[in-house]
Amino acid sequence: NAGVTQTPKFRILKIGQSMTLQCTQDMNHNYMYWYRQDPGMGLKLIYYSVGAGITDKGEVPNGYNVSRSTTEDFPLRLELAAPSQTSVYFCASIRQAGQGLGANVLTFGAGSRLTVL
Amino acid sequence: KQEVTQIPAALSVPEGENLVLNCSFTDSAIYNLQWFRQDPGKGLTSLLLIQSSQREQTSGRLNASLDKSSGRSTLYIAASQPGDSATYLCAVPGGQKLVFGTGTRLLVSP
Repeated sequence: NAGVTQTPKFRILKIGQSMTLQCTQDMNHNYMYWYRQDPGMGLKLIYYSVGAGITDKGEVPNGYNVSRSTTEDFPLRLELAAPSQTSVYFCASIRQAGQGLGANVLTFGAGSRLTVL
Repeated sequence: KQEVTQIPAALSVPEGENLVLNCSFTDSAIYNLQWFRQDPGKGLTSLLLIQSSQREQTSGRLNASLDKSSGRSTLYIAASQPGDSATYLCAVPGGQKLVFGTGTRLLVSP
């Protein structure tokens, strides 16, 4: 199984440009998340989704948009990129975040390193 | 609101030492707790998942314990090796999300 796949791995953007970070999981997980991690800092939740067609804001949603048209895909869109969005972005998925059945292990993608100049 | 704290923030030890990393959470009504490892420039890898009904979970030289009543979990690493150098994070469910601690950065010197 591929797990959680993120593309691109690296990207440099100019201020004001837009782009989409792709995230795909093949584990039939219901819950998907986008985090950002600034250098030396912890993870901050941007957006999350509990199933296809359902998305919700996390701690730091401003400047980002998401969609969840399928169970597998959860793209993150950056509109009008700003230097403050320079970060490493991680996508993650889990079958169910709460009690659920079995072992609910959160699986992360390898990350997308974004630089905005 | 669930808050997760990890102590210490950083730890440097010589190879071979046994060590303990601590994780505290404010809301004890959790279903499980996970420990993750993050290598520099890499993503997070799940190490151990402890269900609320369990008190311990072991994987190789790693042993994680969970005390819900006191809001604490510990990750014990036996006979540390330079390859254990990484940042270790714990996370607990907070509603439909996982709440992460800020991590403990571990450096094991040869």
